[in-house]
Amino acid sequence: AQSVSQHNHHVILSEAASLELGCNYSYGGTVNLFWYVQYPGQHLQLLLKYFSGDPLVKGIKGFEAEFIKSKFSFNLRKPSVQWSDTAEYFCAVAERYNFNKFYFGSGTKLNVKP
Amino acid sequence: EAGVAQSPRYKIIEKRQSVAFWCNPISGHATLYWYQQILGQGPKLLIQFQNNGVVDDSQLPKDRFSAERLKGVDSTLKIQPAKLEDSAVYLCASSSGLSRTQYFGPGTRLTVT
Repeated sequence: AQSVSQHNHHVILSEAASLELGCNYSYGGTVNLFWYVQYPGQHLQLLLKYFSGDPLVKGIKGFEAEFIKSKFSFNLRKPSVQWSDTAEYFCAVAERYNFNKFYFGSGTKLNVKP
Repeated sequence: EAGVAQSPRYKIIEKRQSVAFWCNPISGHATLYWYQQILGQGPKLLIQFQNNGVVDDSQLPKDRFSAERLKGVDSTLKIQPAKLEDSAVYLCASSSGLSRTQYFGPGTRLTVT
């Protein structure tokens, strides 16, 4: 079975600091990759996704992620975080040729101090 | 467009009782998913429907959990009887196809006492 690892469980940053959240997965086949965000009291929302093409993908609110196939990684980045980025971030991997079965990481809680 | 709807939003039951959750996906989305999210963990897929057929239910505890999607639109997930370890948020998601982005509902927070 697929496993998705998010190495940072809780990250605390000050506003304007740069952010990088790690995500590694185990599946060696063709995958679709996602980052979802859950703001306090809200449901999971798509932040960005990678299906194919340019491995550097840009999402909403200034977030971007880079797919590095050789490292089985899909790390999330933002150059300058804001207080409103306080949320929980989930990496997800879908096995493209296995009915798009989704596997989620355990999440990273980001706390941005104003 | 309207998002994924779920009800109820919260439910508290005693162990050994039964409970049912309802989900209405985004209109036109053929694929529907139920997830269980235990506190501190990521969502875990319980069952995946393509129209009204089951694509994957390998992680569904079939001795107590059941789900159906009779007309290929809305879906219900039932737990009978509930155990303490079933306390979690139950998420419903839908997508327009097997290789498409999933859109999530607000979830149902279940507390089993």
